[in-house]
Amino acid sequence: DGGITQSPKYLFRKEGQNVTLSCEQNLNHDAMYWYRQDPGQGLRLIYYSQIVNDFQKGDIAEGYSVSREKKESFPLTVTSAQKNPTAFYLCASRNEVIKRDTEAFFGQGTRLTVV
Amino acid sequence: EDQVTQSPEALRLQEGESSSLNCSYTVSGLRGLFWYRQDPGKGPEFLFTLYSAGEEKEKERLKATLTKKESFLHITAPKPEDSATYLCAVRAYNQGGKLIFGQGTELSVKP
Repeated sequence: DGGITQSPKYLFRKEGQNVTLSCEQNLNHDAMYWYRQDPGQGLRLIYYSQIVNDFQKGDIAEGYSVSREKKESFPLTVTSAQKNPTAFYLCASRNEVIKRDTEAFFGQGTRLTVV
Repeated sequence: EDQVTQSPEALRLQEGESSSLNCSYTVSGLRGLFWYRQDPGKGPEFLFTLYSAGEEKEKERLKATLTKKESFLHITAPKPEDSATYLCAVRAYNQGGKLIFGQGTELSVKP
């Protein structure tokens, strides 16, 4: 089945550790996104990529890093510089079509907790 | 600055009690407005895309409408299974690939 797979579903991080969240899609979509969701808040954009080997910072990129070496994959690393990383992380992808805007499809999320 | 504001933050309805959710947006040029449904602990599920003022889309008990400043998600005769958080997002012409989300409306429908 086509879709977006995020792993792991739950992740625990110790203080000072870097962790990497995986996002893989088999929808052949060009654009991929990482969002962070905190209780009572909307989705905030961390990074996005519209094409392989290129990505842009979103509104809250500090303390995060990404790579886009393959069209199917867009991993997110939460570094020790991110002071408050406990949150629900969502990955999405979208098909870039010139003449109309298209919806983004989301994975099921990774819940990251600092212990 | 492009912005999306949803109201109310939470809405409690009795089964069968129709209502509307609001999404107000401020963008320099709207490319598309999107509605999603999100269940607890899950990723958002796509509902509708609206492109221009006056456009309407329907799906079962849900109907989305769009004006130049806001969008409404009308829920007719809701059922308990409609309980979820509803998210609104916009994409603007001057923002490249960015999708900007509102904070969501948490809907609870009691039997």
